[in-house]
Amino acid sequence: SQTIHQWPATLVQPVGSPLSLECTVEGTSNPNLYWYRQAAGRGLQLLFYSVGIGQISSEVPQNLSASRPQDRQFILSSKKLLLSDSGFYLCAWGGGLGPYGYTFGSGTRLTVV
Amino acid sequence: GQQVMQIPQYQHVQEGEDFTTYCNSSTTLSNIQWYKQRPGGHPVFLIQLVKSGEVKKQKRLTFQFGEAKKNSSLHITATQTTDVGTYFCAGKGRDSSYKLIFGSGTRLLVRP
Repeated sequence: SQTIHQWPATLVQPVGSPLSLECTVEGTSNPNLYWYRQAAGRGLQLLFYSVGIGQISSEVPQNLSASRPQDRQFILSSKKLLLSDSGFYLCAWGGGLGPYGYTFGSGTRLTVV
Repeated sequence: GQQVMQIPQYQHVQEGEDFTTYCNSSTTLSNIQWYKQRPGGHPVFLIQLVKSGEVKKQKRLTFQFGEAKKNSSLHITATQTTDVGTYFCAGKGRDSSYKLIFGSGTRLLVRP
């Protein structure tokens, strides 16, 4: 079965520091992968998606970037965090063909101080 | 760009009462999905609707997809405390099979 791992679970970072969040998927090949951000009590905002190695589509211009160095690895990065980058970051695997939804990782709660 | 709106933002009900959340898209959707997020957790897929006018049931939950494929609803009959959480609809536009755009969610609170 397919599983998705995301870490760390929580992170407190100072303004101006770099960020690297990692997401890996097991049990599937060539998955569509997504990064979403959820502000406190709000909906999910699509940040990036990737349909293959090295292929990144950015949805919202911002202080973040994404990379896909391997088929089942998706990384979210920032060179210098802003206070507004705080939020709940969720990696998701697109469910492939058929009536399957997205499978989300357990998320990283980022607080920029 | 494609937008998905969801109402109400919050709903506080007495256990045993019914609950409905509504979802509207600015564009015609190829399909719509529903997710539940428990407090402190991550969204979990509930169901996908594809056909115009489709209705699906999961125990006490009834999902509908509008005839024009631009709106959807989730109805819970006789809520229980285990139903607490935020319910999101999410849609894929016809012009993009890769992007799933989420509604703002409806947070359901149930008084025991």
